Amino acid sequence: SQKIEQNSEALNIQEGKTATLTCNYTNYSPAYLQWYRQDPGRGPVFLLLIRENEKEKRKERLKVTFDTTLKQSLFHITASQPADSATYLCALEWVRTALIFGKGTTLSVSS
Amino acid sequence: SQTIHQWPATLVQPVGSPLSLECTVEGTSNPNLYWYRQAAGRGLQLLFYSVGIGQISSEVPQNLSASRPQDRQFILSSKKLLLSDSGFYLCAWVPSGVYNEQFFGPGTRLTVL
Repeated sequence: SQKIEQNSEALNIQEGKTATLTCNYTNYSPAYLQWYRQDPGRGPVFLLLIRENEKEKRKERLKVTFDTTLKQSLFHITASQPADSATYLCALEWVRTALIFGKGTTLSVSS
Repeated sequence: SQTIHQWPATLVQPVGSPLSLECTVEGTSNPNLYWYRQAAGRGLQLLFYSVGIGQISSEVPQNLSASRPQDRQFILSSKKLLLSDSGFYLCAWVPSGVYNEQFFGPGTRLTVL
């Protein structure tokens, strides 16, 4: 069965540094991959979508890459700020626009 | 603009009791609708999805069921709750046929005692 893993449950970095989160998947070839942000007690909020024929996508301080050979996506937040502290979820397209999610990585940015 | 509502926001229920969670979407028609559960220490798990009225697909066999009685209404139910049903239940929608971001509701925190 398909499996999706996010590299670590928690990541702690200092303000101003670049945070890099990893999402790996197996036994599947998704047409696209998405990243969401989730704050405690709230529903996830969409950040970026990248398709299988795209190598990289950017949005302001966010950058996502998609390597279909390695079956891996990297999510970068440059010049991180304490307000970036949250849980970040990787999601693969599944069927009929449904998604399967990783467990998430909780990012803490200290000032 | 489109909005998604879920209620109740929180719920505490005894084991063996029934459950009904409701999700409604405003400002769109014929959306694809989804129910997810997020249990402590676990990821967001897809439970059901629907591409139209009366059309329900189940991803995980369990004691939960879903119904879509109206175009923009999605209901999650159980006849008898288990302790393992505790979690954060999220409803989401996507414009029909659009492979794009999902819009999530505020969620329902269910505690089964």
